[in-house]
Amino acid sequence: DAGVIQSPRHEVTEMGQEVTLRCKPISGHDYLFWYRQTMMRGLELLIYFNNNVPIDDSGMPEDRFSAKMPNASFSTLKIQPSEPRDSAVYFCASTLGHHSGANVLTFGAGSRLTVL
Amino acid sequence: SQKIEQNSEALNIQEGKTATLTCNYTNYSPAYLQWYRQDPGRGPVFLLLIRENEKEKRKERLKVTFDTTLKQSLFHITASQPADSATYLCAPTGGGNKLTFGTGTQLKVEL
Repeated sequence: DAGVIQSPRHEVTEMGQEVTLRCKPISGHDYLFWYRQTMMRGLELLIYFNNNVPIDDSGMPEDRFSAKMPNASFSTLKIQPSEPRDSAVYFCASTLGHHSGANVLTFGAGSRLTVL
Repeated sequence: SQKIEQNSEALNIQEGKTATLTCNYTNYSPAYLQWYRQDPGRGPVFLLLIRENEKEKRKERLKVTFDTTLKQSLFHITASQPADSATYLCAPTGGGNKLTFGTGTQLKVEL
């Protein structure tokens, strides 16, 4: 397997523009997570899905952020309109859930977003 | 509220020495605690998982301890090498599927 694949790797956009980040999880994994990483706040969980259904979106900062998972092999995180404070590295991660809860995450390489 | 604390200051050590990183947590009762390594420009990579009923776990030069009374985990790298230089993140988890991470500690191993 090629691992978790994210695109684009880098995105530079202007304030007010729409940004769409994409993620392909590992085949067979039933959980998908979106994280955001900044120097100030570290790695923050934004939202996670189980079997394509959003389970917890309490970390999504504002209504400007939305995430979808139309099928088991694809998810998007959209920011509309984008603001400079959204500049960060966005990571997608996936795992095969265990009933015990000891889930080990596999992360993608991240999408670095810069909003000017 | 739940809090995870890792040393925000970078840890600089000499090659060959043992590096010890700390993860403290409050308002948590984690059933597990995971450690990840993150290199610049890359996503975190899983290293070790320790369960609440395990005092210690080892993997090659890595050792993790988990003290549920002190609410602390220690992460040791013995015989450290420059290639061990990275940021190390801890993630205590209560047994659910949601992982919350500490801010990480940067380790620099010097020749």
